[in-house]
Amino acid sequence: DQQVKQNSPSLSVQEGRISILNCDYTNSMFDYFLWYKKYPAEGPTFLISISSIKDKNEDGRFTVFLNKSAKHLSLHIVPSQPGDSAVYFCAASGMDSSYKLIFGSGTRLLVRP
Amino acid sequence: DAGVTQSPTHLIKTRGQHVTLRCSPISGHKSVSWYQQVLGQGPQFIFQYYEKEERGRGNFPDRFSARQFPNYSSELNVNALLLGDSALYLCASSLRNGAGTDTQYFGPGTRLTVL
Repeated sequence: DQQVKQNSPSLSVQEGRISILNCDYTNSMFDYFLWYKKYPAEGPTFLISISSIKDKNEDGRFTVFLNKSAKHLSLHIVPSQPGDSAVYFCAASGMDSSYKLIFGSGTRLLVRP
Repeated sequence: DAGVTQSPTHLIKTRGQHVTLRCSPISGHKSVSWYQQVLGQGPQFIFQYYEKEERGRGNFPDRFSARQFPNYSSELNVNALLLGDSALYLCASSLRNGAGTDTQYFGPGTRLTVL
């Protein structure tokens, strides 16, 4: 039972354009959402997060949008850079076990020069 | 400042053997969580230790155990290894219990291969 889903295994974007990575969840008890970026041979690196009381959070080139009614969140990267090429994981935590991150299966982003 | 460190980097074991993986959290962090990442999937929660006590356990068999030491470092032990235990094992540390805004920071992982 996959509670956090990233339905696009890969995404290819031209440098300078917008990258949009999507994530869906099924558990309405989730109240905190995070995005991690992972390069090969490294651990996941925290990117940005959002609480369920907000619908948008922005940090430089990265913006996360949350649509609670649709149980959907997305990560926007503008402008995309070749160094952004990595696997991006969406994760969620809930009020019942807030320390436990539930991850999606990841989306591999390739930013073409 | 040093990030989360894990040892060893890579490990090859055979079925039925036992393995111990080690993790040192970021200085000042009191919580360590362990995750298993199988190829093609996202990390899956195994354990969390906060202030040296187990605070949570994922859906893993009793062959998996862990502990946290007084200096907040941690060990993950897996007994009677199976081929399916081959994975990247990730350790994450956080300042408090890793909930909500208390971000979990990950180490580089230990790649375990079971033959």
